[in-house]
Amino acid sequence: RKEVEQDPGPFNVPEGATVAFNCTYSNSASQSFFWYRQDCRKEPKLLMSVYSSGNEDGRFTAQLNRASQYISLLIRDSKLSDSATYLCVVNMDTGRRALTFGSGTRLQVQP
Amino acid sequence: AAGVIQSPRHLIKEKRETATLKCYPIPRHDTVYWYQQGPGQDPQFLISFYEKMQSDKGSIPDRFSAQQFSDYHSELNMSSLELGDSALYFCASSKDDSYEQYFGPGTRLTVT
Repeated sequence: RKEVEQDPGPFNVPEGATVAFNCTYSNSASQSFFWYRQDCRKEPKLLMSVYSSGNEDGRFTAQLNRASQYISLLIRDSKLSDSATYLCVVNMDTGRRALTFGSGTRLQVQP
Repeated sequence: AAGVIQSPRHLIKEKRETATLKCYPIPRHDTVYWYQQGPGQDPQFLISFYEKMQSDKGSIPDRFSAQQFSDYHSELNMSSLELGDSALYFCASSKDDSYEQYFGPGTRLTVT
């Protein structure tokens, strides 16, 4: 079992749709959580950090449920430019800085 | 804003050769990380440095070594290259007081 699990998708949605991704992590001691976006053959780009209180950045909302060990990302009013792979990323150990990546969920927004 | 710089962007080597990848972190970032992403895989952590000292070690082969210099740039040295080393190698940087890591554009290494 992977330490960070995501549904690989693909999620095919029309422009303007709302789409949600979930991710689960195995280590209950994990402290820091992130969503990154990766376009094909490019570097992961930090989309947002995920806080216990939840956080929102424009059309993007992230939530963390520590009790259930899952993280979610909601994208409202999808744009064609949102098409990418969304990576759920966790820092598993407070004593370490290494990030553990999920395998990513592919989103394809269609006109 | 300045980003992480990596060089070269593409590298082709033959088996058993050596390769050196370079990474220049975002200004005022003191921690550097190296990740390897194989075809169809997610990035795997290799090694990290803080203030020129190795701070963490992941699944880095013994054939690989890395260091961070006084100007905070880092180099990943890879020897006795194998076909399986063909991958994207990303460098990321962060400030010491943050877990947010910012990635460079990567070096695509092809071993033939």
